[in-house]
Amino acid sequence: EAGVAQSPRYKIIEKRQSVAFWCNPISGHATLYWYQQILGQGPKLLIQFQNNGVVDDSQLPKDRFSAERLKGVDSTLKIQPAKLEDSAVYLCASSLVPDSYEQYFGPGTRLTVT
Amino acid sequence: AQTVTQSQPEMSVQEAETVTLSCTYDTSESDYYLFWYKQPPSRQMILVIRQEAYKQQNATENRFSVNFQKAAKSFSLKISDSQLGDAAMYFCAYRNSGNTPLVFGKGTRLSVIA
Repeated sequence: EAGVAQSPRYKIIEKRQSVAFWCNPISGHATLYWYQQILGQGPKLLIQFQNNGVVDDSQLPKDRFSAERLKGVDSTLKIQPAKLEDSAVYLCASSLVPDSYEQYFGPGTRLTVT
Repeated sequence: AQTVTQSQPEMSVQEAETVTLSCTYDTSESDYYLFWYKQPPSRQMILVIRQEAYKQQNATENRFSVNFQKAAKSFSLKISDSQLGDAAMYFCAYRNSGNTPLVFGKGTRLSVIA
């Protein structure tokens, strides 16, 4: 079974530029999560999708971050414009059903904003 | 809101010895799940062990076991016969029952000394 795929693995941009990350969850997984992990901290939820609908985006900085999950499969997370404090690892995770024990994580995208 | 606290930023253990990582959490819920995740330098989050709050018996997975003290809201991880491959960041995480995301602690960096 293929795992959660993310791309790119690394991205370096200048502040005020835009960037997009892509995530392809495990086939059949209905729930998809984007987490932000700042260096030295644990991951923090940005947004949660159930199929193609948003369940929780209360911690997403909506003035600059946006995310979509068209057709309930893969998802993109965008930052526009980026700030220095957006430097972090962005992790995507998926789970089979909403109340599933386990979330399967992708390898993450390390973003550096200079 | 639920919080997870890991009070040990760094720990070290000799190869083949036993080490215990601490975690406390705060919640007013009675039905929830607790997890320990391992994050090696590759950044891939790997589930080590999980505990359902309604279960009194402590979870065990091979060399990994937990000490779950529900009244004290404590959830420690014991690694027996430590191996070099156990070196990583370890995150304690909490999740309410239902369609909810994980809440992570700040992590403990474990070093294994040969």
